[in-house]
Amino acid sequence: EAQVTQNPRYLITVTGKKLTVTCSQNMNHEYMSWYRQDPGLGLRQIYYSMNVEVTDKGDVPEGYKVSRKEKRNFPLILESPSPNQTSLYFCASSRQGENSPLHFGNGTRLTVT
Amino acid sequence: KQEVTQIPAALSVPEGENLVLNCSFTDSAIYNLQWFRQDPGKGLTSLLLIQSSQREQTSGRLNASLDKSSGRSTLYIAASQPGDSATYLCAGLNYGQNFVFGPGTRLSVLP
Repeated sequence: EAQVTQNPRYLITVTGKKLTVTCSQNMNHEYMSWYRQDPGLGLRQIYYSMNVEVTDKGDVPEGYKVSRKEKRNFPLILESPSPNQTSLYFCASSRQGENSPLHFGNGTRLTVT
Repeated sequence: KQEVTQIPAALSVPEGENLVLNCSFTDSAIYNLQWFRQDPGKGLTSLLLIQSSQREQTSGRLNASLDKSSGRSTLYIAASQPGDSATYLCAGLNYGQNFVFGPGTRLSVLP
């Protein structure tokens, strides 16, 4: 089944403790991206990647890191999480081109205390 | 910078009604316009994608139109059903491969 898989689904952590949220897709998509969704602010792009070893900042990249060493994986790294990073996070992927819908994972709900 | 708005923010209708959701964007230089559905606590599911050269797309009871010159897209849902209850989001893909999402319209279809 074609899908985008995020792990974990839920994560509670403390301020300053490094964490990684994994994202993997099995559709051989070139494009992958991370979003956070907050009430009243909607979905905002954190980082995106056009292909292996190519990453770019989205609208809200501060406090986050990403890497794209393999085509299928695009992990999101929070080196020193803070409470304002408490949010619902989504990974998404698509083929390149204007006729390619964006496929989303089921989300990771992160709470930083 | 691209900004996307959606009207109304919330909508409640009785089952069987036809309805229209609106999406407006400020920068007409978009690659495509996509409509998504989001159920509570879940990810987004792509419903329809309209390329920049197209005017509309249809899938079952859903029809989406795109007017780049006016910066508007509409999602038409025919004969609404309770299972259509969800939040509907539109997103424009800019030529820089940056998707910009609207805030969504929360739809409730009452039996």
